Amino acid sequence: DTAVSQTPKYLVTQMGNDKSIKCEQNLGHDTMYWYKQDSKKFLKIMFSYNNKELIINETVPNRFSPKSPDKAHLNLHINSLELGDSAVYFCASSPIGGRHGDTEAFFGQGTRLTVV
Amino acid sequence: AQSVTQLGSHVSVSEGALVLLRCNYSSSVPPYLFWYVQYPNQGLQLLLKYTTGATLVKGINGFEAEFKKSETSFHLTKPSAHMSDAAEYFCAVSGQAGTALIFGKGTTLSVSS
Repeated sequence: DTAVSQTPKYLVTQMGNDKSIKCEQNLGHDTMYWYKQDSKKFLKIMFSYNNKELIINETVPNRFSPKSPDKAHLNLHINSLELGDSAVYFCASSPIGGRHGDTEAFFGQGTRLTVV
Repeated sequence: AQSVTQLGSHVSVSEGALVLLRCNYSSSVPPYLFWYVQYPNQGLQLLLKYTTGATLVKGINGFEAEFKKSETSFHLTKPSAHMSDAAEYFCAVSGQAGTALIFGKGTTLSVSS
């Protein structure tokens, strides 16, 4: 079973459209994240959810909105897509607290979003 | 506040040669440090991590890294490079369990035969 799964893997859409990316984790982790990887491969945190509460919201346009229906899911909704939103978006999860050493984040395979 | 600097955006080695990828960090709290590898068109896979305890940590695929607090460094090494090691490598820091990772800009490792 895939630990962190994202759908779709590829998404091509026109400017101005609204789209969603879904993420599910089966690891029982308390915290989930969305990261953005730009064309230069730089990874930056966008959002973090801990037990369905937003605990980080970096300087991301409010066109991006995370939605967490339960602890195992964190979806990313993007409204009015722009060319500059083209990137690879990664979902990740990690435990909070927990046993010594249980601190790494597990990443999904990424969603390559192309806005045309 | 935390930050990571990876020295060298591109490192090229010959197969069988030593691999050394450099990472320096800045953290106002005791850091958790990680190295991730990304193969083309794939997600990130954890190579190794330092949280507390032994400062020399061993990871998968023969990689290891040493946490040096006095130098604020966490360099990644492998004694003998293999062609399959060619990938993008990211160093990352977080302040505590369950907090977001702050990544360096990555280092592309090329391995030639």
